[in-house]
Amino acid sequence: AQSVTQLGSHVSVSEGALVLLRCNYSSSVPPYLFWYVQYPNQGLQLLLKYTSAATLVKGINGFEAEFKKSETSFHLTKPSAHMSDAAEYFCASDPYYGNNRLAFGKGNQVVVIP
Amino acid sequence: GAVVSQHPSWVICKSGTSVKIECRSLDFQATTMFWYRQFPKQSLMLMATSNEGSKATYEQGVEKDKFLINHASLTLSTLTVTSAHPEDSSFYICSGSGKTSYEQYFGPGTRLTVT
Repeated sequence: AQSVTQLGSHVSVSEGALVLLRCNYSSSVPPYLFWYVQYPNQGLQLLLKYTSAATLVKGINGFEAEFKKSETSFHLTKPSAHMSDAAEYFCASDPYYGNNRLAFGKGNQVVVIP
Repeated sequence: GAVVSQHPSWVICKSGTSVKIECRSLDFQATTMFWYRQFPKQSLMLMATSNEGSKATYEQGVEKDKFLINHASLTLSTLTVTSAHPEDSSFYICSGSGKTSYEQYFGPGTRLTVT
């Protein structure tokens, strides 16, 4: 079955430092891929998505992710962390290309240290 | 982005009773709604997909008689957990997508505790 792996449930990063969250997918055929962010008491919000066009995808709030087929990865990065980036981040895949049946990773809780 | 609300945000019920969770799209018409379940420290697991006016399609392993889903209008879907047991305690999240957009918009979730 399709799965998405996110390692490290909690990620601490210093303010101003690089944010790097790793995501790997398991399917042999590249799926659509997504990163979502969830702030406390709010619903998941789409950060960015890969739908087989450009492999480097830019999203909101200064985040970007690069799709690498050879590594089956879709890692999320932001050059400089802000305090407002403290949230939970989920990687998800849609192997059905528009069917919208998403498979989620376990999430990364990002803590930003002043 | 579009807004989805859920009610209640938190509910406690006794074992054997049923509880209904509402999911509303506030500023768009959700032709498709999705229900997810999330255990602590685990990922969101898709339970079912429903199109307005149609029966829900349940994922493998999800009991459709246990988790009743109704999507009677383009702005409202409900999930009823019937004869709840402590193992049904979880965080339930809904999302909706519209006719013209592939993107899912998520509600803030409902925490269910069955005692």
